[in-house]
Amino acid sequence: EVQLVQSGAEVKKPGESLKISCEGSGHSFVTSWIGWVRQKPGKGLEWMGIIYPSDSDIRYSPSFQGQATLSVDKSTSTAYLQWSSLKASDTAIYYCATLARHCNGKNCYLAGFDYWGQGTLVTVSS
Amino acid sequence: DIQMTQSPSSVSASVGDRVTITCRASQGISSWLAWYQQKPGKAPKLLIYTASTLQSGVPSRFSGSGSGTDFTLTISSLQPEDFATYYCQQANSFPWTFGQGTKVEIK
Repeated sequence: EVQLVQSGAEVKKPGESLKISCEGSGHSFVTSWIGWVRQKPGKGLEWMGIIYPSDSDIRYSPSFQGQATLSVDKSTSTAYLQWSSLKASDTAIYYCATLARHCNGKNCYLAGFDYWGQGTLVTVSS
Repeated sequence: DIQMTQSPSSVSASVGDRVTITCRASQGISSWLAWYQQKPGKAPKLLIYTASTLQSGVPSRFSGSGSGTDFTLTISSLQPEDFATYYCQQANSFPWTFGQGTKVEIK
């Protein structure tokens, strides 16, 4: 069974740094794209970016490029999302999720997020 | 970025009703569309991908259709556990983008 277990809730002050984690199990972590989705309180879902653990290929949303950094540790099957200087506007729930692959003959494509972590609430307040 | 627009924003329905949610893309995305269900305090759940392929374990009362720019999610007979918010998401090109969500409420 695929499981993604995220780190616990965080309360930080503006300007502080933070790194949250997402540990995967039950699947081939290294060869499965993993992504991050933001959900501000009472709002919809926002696609932040995705990373391929095998070679750390990353695709960021332009909205998040330079604002947060994706990384992985293959040795522990863990993906990370980090900020160097948090803002109040970063207050949100952050979800990690694996990407579903749809294969048509010998070609495979990324088709959505199939397995999700439980979410990490990040609160940034002075 | 491709903009995804869902309608309606909310719908009130009764158990047993047929519910249809639409999603429109600002440009053609072939069949690269996914639908998710999210209940309060929970992570989203993938229902459908490639516009009409039901994710394993999802009840057959959920179905998806469409291609190009116009898509629909249909719940054929609404069950109590289906009251939730539904999101579409395009997977045609990066950055992937979500619709704003449709809340299905109890009438």
